[in-house]
Amino acid sequence: EIVLTQSPATLSLSPGERATLSCRASQSVSSYLAWYQQRPGQAPRLLIYDASIRATGIPARFSGSESGTDYILTISSLEPEDFAVYYCQQRNSWPLTFGGGTRVEIK
Amino acid sequence: QVQLQESGPGLVRPAQTLSLTCTVSGGSISTSGYYWSWIRQHPGKGLEWIGYIFHSGNTYYNPSLKSRVTMSVDTSKNQFSLRLSSVTAADTAVYYCARFVTTIYFDYWGQGTVVTVSS
Repeated sequence: EIVLTQSPATLSLSPGERATLSCRASQSVSSYLAWYQQRPGQAPRLLIYDASIRATGIPARFSGSESGTDYILTISSLEPEDFAVYYCQQRNSWPLTFGGGTRVEIK
Repeated sequence: QVQLQESGPGLVRPAQTLSLTCTVSGGSISTSGYYWSWIRQHPGKGLEWIGYIFHSGNTYYNPSLKSRVTMSVDTSKNQFSLRLSSVTAADTAVYYCARFVTTIYFDYWGQGTVVTVSS
């Protein structure tokens, strides 16, 4: 199965700062990668799919990019509601797998 | 607006079978192209995909759980179900049902249900 490794595990930032989250795949996922946001006590919410396409209703401050097997989620300017855990997930091959998550916390 | 809702016991005894049902509203479970999935999240941990079922009844299970998982679908009730046998404390988790579409991934999720395995 494809292993997704997210880094850093925790990111401590202040509102208004830029967040850069990384997801590295153990093998090619051919851009078939999504990002989800999970707030405490809630189900994950789809943010980005196919590496760079924002899901419906997702603000423009969220963007996705890729470089080889490395995928990046960028939040250009953190809003209070963006402090949460973020997961990447691949659909290139079965079984579907998720990364271990990056927690974005208030500094 | 599609909504998913998990239901089932919150406490299961060790070695017994965990059974959960997901009720879909706002859309038909029989629509082609949707993989109706179960995902779980251990306390304070990440997400683990358990498997999917099509409206036709075709399934695919995560190899890590395949020997203990059975999924079924009831199109007349717009529901799909999960059974996980021989549970242990390691199966304690929040269980989510979700809709997966190959073009847009997991786009709708249930709120999740906590299942604790304990005697």
